[in-house]
Amino acid sequence: TQLLEQSPQFLSIQEGENLTVYCNSSSVFSSLQWYRQEPGEGPVLLVTVVTGGEVKKLKRLTFQFGDARKDSSLHITAAQPGDTGLYLCAGVPGTYKYIFGTGTRLKVLA
Amino acid sequence: SQTIHQWPATLVQPVGSPLSLECTVEGTSNPNLYWYRQAAGRGLQLLFYSVGIGQISSEVPQNLSASRPQDRQFILSSKKLLLSDSGFYLCAWGVGGGGEKLFFGSGTQLSVL
Repeated sequence: TQLLEQSPQFLSIQEGENLTVYCNSSSVFSSLQWYRQEPGEGPVLLVTVVTGGEVKKLKRLTFQFGDARKDSSLHITAAQPGDTGLYLCAGVPGTYKYIFGTGTRLKVLA
Repeated sequence: SQTIHQWPATLVQPVGSPLSLECTVEGTSNPNLYWYRQAAGRGLQLLFYSVGIGQISSEVPQNLSASRPQDRQFILSSKKLLLSDSGFYLCAWGVGGGGEKLFFGSGTQLSVL
């Protein structure tokens, strides 16, 4: 069974602080995605990383795919209350299947 | 543009009752369709996926089943619900299957009492 473990599970920080969320697995993925989910809604895609070592930036969010394509990180600079939500990584081991991580619930306090 | 419809939004069912959740997609052809279940505030568990009409792959053996009677229709069913079936059920679609973006419905919150 392929598992994606995220850490931390919960994170509560003050506005303006930086944070990093980790997504780890013992399996290799052809690509990895990060989603953000609001309460009562479906997840929305933030980014897809494909190449080992790849780094992508989306405004204050920086995503990195591990060199061995088994792990990924999401770094948020100067967090804002609008960043609050559930962050989910999703690994694609081959075709069709998307394996989601355990989730990180982020709360940014004003 | 593509849209995904999932209903009902909330459902309260007694233990032992049947279940039918429906998901339809508009604006695309031959999508890959998915059913996920999510415990409160946690990650998504893949239940079923389908790459074509009548083609269902099951990821978790349990008392749930799925069917795809039409290209853009995906149905999640159960003959007898268990307490453990409670959760937030999400339908999603994607095209290509090679790590393309997944589009999710707004979900069904199922409470089995």
